[in-house]
Amino acid sequence: AQKITQTQPGMFVQEKEAVTLDCTYDTSDQSYGLFWYKQPSSGEMIFLIYQGSYDEQNATEGRYSLNFQKARKSANLVISASQLGDSAMYFCAMREGMNSGGYQKVTFGTGTKLQVIP
Amino acid sequence: EPEVTQTPSHQVTQMGQEVILRCVPISNHLYFYWYRQILGQKVEFLVSFYNNEISEKSEIFDDQFSVERPDGSNFTLKIRSTKLEDSAMYFCASRSSSTDTQYFGPGTRLTVL
Repeated sequence: AQKITQTQPGMFVQEKEAVTLDCTYDTSDQSYGLFWYKQPSSGEMIFLIYQGSYDEQNATEGRYSLNFQKARKSANLVISASQLGDSAMYFCAMREGMNSGGYQKVTFGTGTKLQVIP
Repeated sequence: EPEVTQTPSHQVTQMGQEVILRCVPISNHLYFYWYRQILGQKVEFLVSFYNNEISEKSEIFDDQFSVERPDGSNFTLKIRSTKLEDSAMYFCASRSSSTDTQYFGPGTRLTVL
């Protein structure tokens, strides 16, 4: 079973509008964390936002917010007031569990390609 | 703002050759990772490294791969005998002990001919 599922391979949004990118996850761990990364066409991986499983408030970072619904195992990214520079690939990712060495890896989804239309 | 750096940005090599990809993690970080992304596909975990030893590795990380922290700043990934299917973008990432967030470098694009 996929640990991270992103069902939208591609999305379009009008400039200045808000957009929601979907992400569902699968884990049996009680302690986990969810990330969103942005990958522009230049290829680098840019950290956007993080939500821990025990965080009661939804994470926000500027125009990015994470709509965390624990019971539904979803962690959707909301981008408000889209800009042309937001056009990129967006990856949802998860870290699971902890051991004496901390958590060891992050598992990525397949990504959603967002295109912002002027 | 501190960032992870990687060199080279692009490496072209012949099949069967050895390559070393270099990373300089953020200076106070203690956890180091390598990931790869084959063109058009998702990012895949290769290996994590902490306290001078491998913490976890994926099934991709076979005997052809090795990692090393040769000094206090560099973190390297070596592929002993490259195959065509090793062509990918390789990302290094690092994390401090006080946060869950891994910060990624800009990647090295490896092309095996």
